[in-house]
Amino acid sequence: NAGVTQTPKFRVLKTGQSMTLLCAQDMNHEYMYWYRQDPGMGLRLIHYSVGEGTTAKGEVPDGYNVSRLKKQNFLLGLESAAPSQTSVYFCASRGTGINTEAFFGQGTRLTVV
Amino acid sequence: AQSVTQLGSHVSVSEGALVLLRCNYSSSVPPYLFWYVQYPNQGLQLLLKYTSAATLVKGINGFEAEFKKSETSFHLTKPSAHMSDAAEYFCAVSLDTGRRALTFGSGTRLQVQP
Repeated sequence: NAGVTQTPKFRVLKTGQSMTLLCAQDMNHEYMYWYRQDPGMGLRLIHYSVGEGTTAKGEVPDGYNVSRLKKQNFLLGLESAAPSQTSVYFCASRGTGINTEAFFGQGTRLTVV
Repeated sequence: AQSVTQLGSHVSVSEGALVLLRCNYSSSVPPYLFWYVQYPNQGLQLLLKYTSAATLVKGINGFEAEFKKSETSFHLTKPSAHMSDAAEYFCAVSLDTGRRALTFGSGTRLQVQP
């Protein structure tokens, strides 16, 4: 049981390049999330999904797009990377119970130069 | 709106000393509260969670937290720090809303001195 798996783990992009981060979960969770982590700011919600085929904006969605074509996968896209998007990105999934915890992937460290 | 405030971005204790990491929440409805730990270059791991069943919650690795509604607090404690406790700790709150997302505090980095 792998839990939540993120690929890639590291990536360096040039300004203006695009990329997609993949998140896969094997716990049959309905809810999935993308967060970014920056020093002193905790984790901030970028986008989320409450089920297959649904997506919605979080607190910091600008510059990112997401898709959830399959229940187990949640993709985060950067169409034109900017240095301000240098961060560590975490995917998480959660079951439908009110008191369930979120399970996190190991993170993707992205540097935009 | 819900929010979480963690007082102290860095806390340093000696090995064997009491660990106290502070978390205050702001919520207009009863919250669900969580503490997560992040070791270097890793993801977040759940330490414990409050779900209204009991105000004193015990978690993994000897940590516990007490929910105090009157103080809107959910502080994390451990009687005796180990070197292996050095990590970053995040308090998070969740409401029973459609998206069920967690809102995180800014984190507290715990250093344990030998």
